[in-house]
Amino acid sequence: NAGVTQTPKFQVLKTGQSMTLQCAQDMNHEYMSWYRQDPGMGLRLIHYSVGAGITDQGEVPNGYNVSRSTTEDFPLRLLSAAPSQTSVYFCASSYGQGIYEQYFGPGTRLTVT
Amino acid sequence: AQSVTQPDIHITVSEGASLELRCNYSYGATPYLFWYVQSPGQGLQLLLKYFSGDTLVQGIKGFEAEFKRSQSSFNLRKPSVHWSDAAEYFCAVGAGAAGNKLTFGGGTRVLVKP
Repeated sequence: NAGVTQTPKFQVLKTGQSMTLQCAQDMNHEYMSWYRQDPGMGLRLIHYSVGAGITDQGEVPNGYNVSRSTTEDFPLRLLSAAPSQTSVYFCASSYGQGIYEQYFGPGTRLTVT
Repeated sequence: AQSVTQPDIHITVSEGASLELRCNYSYGATPYLFWYVQSPGQGLQLLLKYFSGDTLVQGIKGFEAEFKRSQSSFNLRKPSVHWSDAAEYFCAVGAGAAGNKLTFGGGTRVLVKP
């Protein structure tokens, strides 16, 4: 099992560019989510999905889109990058129904200049 | 809306000494509480969790936490720290029907002196 994988590990974008952060899990988890981590603020939930075809907004969704076409993949799209989106992004997954541990990927460090 | 406060941004502790990290939460219903650890450059790893039952929960790496409803607290403890415990620790409360939507505190960075 690879667990939760994220690509790329590092990315630099210019303001206004778009990109997709990839997240995949091989544990057949129903629940997947994206967080951003900023110094002193912990992790904040961006979007989450309770299963293929179902997504919803978290605490800080503006500027980000998600889709969930398969159980395994949950990409995060930045439509028009802004310096305020400079952050470390973590994807997580869990079994879903009931209270289960969330497994986190290694993160993507994004810098927007 | 739920919230989590970790009052200590940094804690320095000597190797072999005890460690206690504070966590206070605000949530209208029965909380699902978690402690995660993040080593430098890594993702988060679950240390322990509380859903119901015994208010003293044991986790991995020798950590334990105590849920105190009257104080809205879920403090993390370890009797004797090792140099490998140097990391950032996050307390989180889970919301939603399955507690999956986590709200994190700001984190406490632990430094271990030899």
